[in-house]
Amino acid sequence: QKEVEQDPGPLSVPEGAIVSLNCTYSNSAFQYFMWYRQYSRKGPELLMYTYSSGNKEDGRFTAQVDKSSKYISLFIRDSQPSDSATYLCAMVVTGGENKLTFGTGTQLKVEL
Amino acid sequence: DAGVIQSPRHEVTEMGQEVTLRCKPISGHDYLFWYRQTMMRGLELLIYFNNNVPIDDSGMPEDRFSAKMPNASFSTLKIQPSEPRDSAVYFCASNPSAGGLSYNEQFFGPGTRLTVL
Repeated sequence: QKEVEQDPGPLSVPEGAIVSLNCTYSNSAFQYFMWYRQYSRKGPELLMYTYSSGNKEDGRFTAQVDKSSKYISLFIRDSQPSDSATYLCAMVVTGGENKLTFGTGTQLKVEL
Repeated sequence: DAGVIQSPRHEVTEMGQEVTLRCKPISGHDYLFWYRQTMMRGLELLIYFNNNVPIDDSGMPEDRFSAKMPNASFSTLKIQPSEPRDSAVYFCASNPSAGGLSYNEQFFGPGTRLTVL
């Protein structure tokens, strides 16, 4: 079993929809939780990160962490075609020298 | 800053040939990471360096893979001999040292798309 599980999709939604992307994990030592966005044929770019449990909002994006359930989510409101990309969750242990463990990524397509 | 630079962007080679991938991290970043991405396995960490010293190479698939970082501005990942199953996108990433409980963003290069025939 992988340490981080993520549904690969693809996920296709109409423009303006609310998108929910999720990951589950097994290592309770993970403390930092990141979402990276990767456009086709590009490197991943950090979208958001949170420390421990709770919510964090940045514009149309909300990251949510539930450590008791070992479950993290990324919500995208008012989705746009420019949000079409692969979204990768990543996690790191505090003091773990930024050694990230990634999910396999969820491919999202927002259609006009 | 130009960001993390990788070369070549694309590499097509034949089985058995030696392949060398190159990376220039962002200036001032202490950490350098090499990843491999495939559809089946996602993004996997191969090896990472701190201040040019290899810290963890447990992700390197086998002895055919080797990585070096001779100075703070250059690293190579070498595959010798290459095999078709090595076909993937290889990313290099760098970040500055983590300070206490903080997380420092890891910056990725554009990747090298390797095809081994």
